[in-house]
Amino acid sequence: EVQLVESGGGLVQPGGSLRLSCAASAFTFRTYWMHWVRQAPGQGLIWVSRINGDGSSTGYADSVRGRFTISRDNAKNTLFLQMNSLRAEDTAVYFCTRSASSFAKPFDNWGQGTLVTVSS
Amino acid sequence: QSALTQPPSASGSPGQSVTISCTGTNSDVGGYDSVSWYQHHPGKAPKLMIYEVTKRPSGVPDRFSGSKSGSTASLTVSGLQAEDEADYYCSSYGGSNNYVFGIGTKVTVL
Repeated sequence: EVQLVESGGGLVQPGGSLRLSCAASAFTFRTYWMHWVRQAPGQGLIWVSRINGDGSSTGYADSVRGRFTISRDNAKNTLFLQMNSLRAEDTAVYFCTRSASSFAKPFDNWGQGTLVTVSS
Repeated sequence: QSALTQPPSASGSPGQSVTISCTGTNSDVGGYDSVSWYQHHPGKAPKLMIYEVTKRPSGVPDRFSGSKSGSTASLTVSGLQAEDEADYYCSSYGGSNNYVFGIGTKVTVL
């Protein structure tokens, strides 16, 4: 069974940094695009970032471009999200999800998420 | 890119049907056959229920169906069951390396 397990969330002050991880198992990790999607408290889902299979191509939502960096380690089947210059509005549950290796493909498996709280 | 428009809530009695709409633009819903629907029980992992407008992943009951007309997609849940009570989100590729979700619809089984 495909598993995606996020970790690394927590409480951080505005302007601070945090690195999220997503451990993947039971599928050929390097053949899938990976994404981060977030959900602020009481709000809907928002796509944050994606990375292709070999890590050579990335994309970001306008709200995080220049502050967040997505990366992956295919040898360790792990996805990362480095979050810098954090703001209160970045407070959310961050989900790791995967899609087939192409644009416009669905997010077919998700993790349960990790909570990031940005507050002083 | 703006969120897709969904009704905030929908409800039905067990056995009835409920339909949720998802309205976008020609740049997302209307421009691609990539509409997906996700079921989310708070605190759990979201689950893919419909993809490419009408297709069901393996294991999703055929009570769930999808359609699209122009820039509006719809999810219909027939024969409502208690376990269908959840939040439902539509999603579409928005072009230019962008993906957009709907604001979510809370489905209540009365």
